[in-house]
This record gives sequence, C-alpha cells and structure tokens, in this order.
Amino acid sequence: SQQGEEDPQALSIQEGENATMNCSYKTSINNLQWYRQNSGRGLVHLILIRSNEREKHSGRLRVTLDTSKKSSSLLITASRAADTASYFCATALLNTGGFKTIFGAGTRLFVKA
Amino acid sequence: GAVVSQHPSWVICKSGTSVKIECRSLDFQATTMFWYRQFPKQSLMLMATSNEGSKATYEQGVEKDKFLINHASLTLSTLTVTSAHPEDSSFYICSVRGGVEEKLFFGSGTQLSVL
Repeated sequence: SQQGEEDPQALSIQEGENATMNCSYKTSINNLQWYRQNSGRGLVHLILIRSNEREKHSGRLRVTLDTSKKSSSLLITASRAADTASYFCATALLNTGGFKTIFGAGTRLFVKA
Repeated sequence: GAVVSQHPSWVICKSGTSVKIECRSLDFQATTMFWYRQFPKQSLMLMATSNEGSKATYEQGVEKDKFLINHASLTLSTLTVTSAHPEDSSFYICSVRGGVEEKLFFGSGTQLSVL
C-alpha cells in the first residue's frame, strides 16, 4: 500500500521557472525523503528531512516538512530541461521485519527548453 | 553511498517460463535488500524485503511461490518470477538501505516483458 499522495500528478513548466511538488503522508515518521527517477531507470536519492526539521536546502532543492499537517513539499528553483523526471516522496515505516520504505504516487515533471 | 547493480536490464520471455533477476550490492554488505515493482506511470510498490540467510518478508497480496527471493550472501539477492504470465510484465527494481540514515540506493531496474 502507498503511504502518501502527491500532487500534482504531472507538471509542465518552462525552463527557468520554479517547480513545486507536494506530498502528504498518513503515519508518524522519523524522516521523509525525496527521490528522482528518470524514465526507465532506478531511483536516485535527493534529500532527507528529519521529523524535527522544518526546512532543508540542497543546491536548487528546497524541502519543507509540516508534521502537524503530515505534508512535505519539494521546490526546484530555476528548473532546467535536465530536471525532467518523476519525483517521489518516501517514508520509512517500522514493522516487525525492520524498516520498509513506502513511496508516494509521484509527480511527473516536464521542463520545456 | 552504496552502489547497486541489477541484471538483466531487460528481458523478454514466453509465458510459462521463469525469469531470474539479480541484485548485487557492490561496495556495501547488505543484510537487507528490497524488491519493488512498478507499472507504467505509477509509483513503486514494495513486493518483499529480502533478508540475508533467512526467508524473505512478503507484502500483503504478493505470492511468495510466484516471486521467489533468495538472499544467500551479503552482496546478492535474486528474484525469480516463476511461470511468468503477461500480467507479470512490469519494471522490477531492487534497493539497498545505506547506513543509518535509511535512504535507499537503487539498482537500474529490470524491464520484464512476458509474451
């Protein structure tokens, strides 16, 4: 089962514009992570934000976390055509077998040159 | 971070045959690996957690006799899709959890097409 929902499902912007993607989740978390997937490839970890953090930056990426609303956002500033990919939020859930990572539905971003 | 190699990248097989997918952790001893399945334009669905030296833990709704997982060493986990059917056609991805931060490192995935 999926942990979270993401919106928008798809986003098309011009190069240079900012892209914002949102993620909501259902359970308590230790951290929330964002991943990127180019078409037909594996996922690449982008950034991790802990439950006691509200905002985190990494290069052109900015992630926010609101644990009271169980939501997170990923902002990509000054987007480039190479940012075209699918972006997923993910949370690690603890179960009897240890942690397992559950992914949101994802946002497909298309950046037009 | 961990480097994960997955093989093959793609495979086409006839209905009824079995297909084995390998996932190797090249620079990290992984006691646990994860297998995900992804349909086109959808998210990743966790299939099972592969545990070195013991039985895999399958997610609800995943047939353990259909998707055989073997994790015989700290660097290799295999997923065998047995008696494949066209509905098994999908993108299968393995991952390794790297260190204490719980982030995952992924293989490049295997596109399975069952005719």
